[in-house]
Amino acid sequence: NAGVTQTPKFRILKIGQSMTLQCTQDMNHNYMYWYRQDPGMGLKLIYYSVGAGITDKGEVPNGYNVSRSTTEDFPLRLELAAPSQTSVYFCASKDSYSNQPQHFGDGTRLSIL
Amino acid sequence: DAKTTQPPSMDCAEGRAANLPCNHSTISGNEYVYWYRQIHSQGPQYIIHGLKNNETNEMASLIITEDRKSSTLILPHATLRDTAVYYCIVRVAGGGSQGNLIFGKGTKLSVKP
Repeated sequence: NAGVTQTPKFRILKIGQSMTLQCTQDMNHNYMYWYRQDPGMGLKLIYYSVGAGITDKGEVPNGYNVSRSTTEDFPLRLELAAPSQTSVYFCASKDSYSNQPQHFGDGTRLSIL
Repeated sequence: DAKTTQPPSMDCAEGRAANLPCNHSTISGNEYVYWYRQIHSQGPQYIIHGLKNNETNEMASLIITEDRKSSTLILPHATLRDTAVYYCIVRVAGGGSQGNLIFGKGTKLSVKP
């Protein structure tokens, strides 16, 4: 049981490039989340999904897009990378049962130069 | 969601119990208390959660006061590997946007030999 898997672990992008951060979970969780964490700060919610085909914006969605075509996968897309998007990105999933906790991946460390 | 207050840092001797406090004086009746920790920029790790009764699992114990306005996370025998930032989060049970966890700055616990 791998839990939540994120790839890649590290990436350096040039300004204006695009990329997709991958997230997959094998726990059959309906709810999935993308957070970013800037140095010394707490996590901020970018997007979330309550099930396949359903996504919604979080606190800081600008510059990002998501899709949820399957229960397992929840990729995060950066279309035009900007230095302000340099951060560590965490994906999480949660069972539908209301008070169950979120389970997090190990993160993707992204630098935009 | 109720706001939480945690001390910014604490020290604990290896092998001793670590008691991490959290104040959540505006907690509502349907809000749970969750504890997570983050070790050196890894993904947040779920520890324990509770509503009003004390809870214990293989990692820790959670003591919630009778009025639910504060709680204490107890690591019974702290080891060097417990050095991390510990987050106390209060929120309603639920998925989707309700499942979003709002991370503050937490308590940095340093376990010393």
